[in-house]
Amino acid sequence: QSALTQPRSVSGSPGQSVTMSCTGTSSDVGSYNYVSWYQQYPGKAPKLKIYDVSKRPSGVPDRFSGSKSGNTASLTISGLQADDEADYYCCSYAGSYTWVFGGGTKLTVL
Amino acid sequence: EVQLVESGGGLVKPGRSLRLSCTASGFTFGDYAMSWFRQAPGKGLEWVSFIRSKAYGGTTEYAASVKGRFIISRDDSKSIAYLQMNSLKTEDTAVYYCTRGVYWFDPWGQGTLVTVSS
Repeated sequence: QSALTQPRSVSGSPGQSVTMSCTGTSSDVGSYNYVSWYQQYPGKAPKLKIYDVSKRPSGVPDRFSGSKSGNTASLTISGLQADDEADYYCCSYAGSYTWVFGGGTKLTVL
Repeated sequence: EVQLVESGGGLVKPGRSLRLSCTASGFTFGDYAMSWFRQAPGKGLEWVSFIRSKAYGGTTEYAASVKGRFIISRDDSKSIAYLQMNSLKTEDTAVYYCTRGVYWFDPWGQGTLVTVSS
């Protein structure tokens, strides 16, 4: 069982927006603004999409956005595209130089 | 281009050892903390180990599941991070990734598969 809770799957049609959640505790998500999100295609390495809750690395389109409220972080993808279909993992710093992940959310673009 | 390439994975029997390497290029390796993560087949990501840069003491951290069995190290002259895995268990079977960073991780290598089986 993963430390952070993510929905197993979400779906949306091209052009729509989807939001996926990542629920932790007051010891991880709730305590630190060090939530990051990773996109992973099957058989490929994870790729950073969001860091520090809501910042986008260079090259990541502004269709990807992140937020946090209390112990829950969220990733929103707007203007869904076919190649957004992938697994998405949230990660939070949990103090004492340890990190925890969610179990991953499979995004299906209908 | 910033790049990380893992190597050293393979099939190993329970109780044996294996050493993974992560060769970096495209950035000043010694300036960065490095981490190892793993992903068991069909499962999610799990943080394994972390090593600070020499500027921050080069000290190390481990997940509870591997503490006492795995050792992370670095050779800044060669731009390589290592993960020495001892007393391997079947539950250590996973793709092992190395990555760069402290609070967020980018980029990730392509991963190397470690299979622990008799």
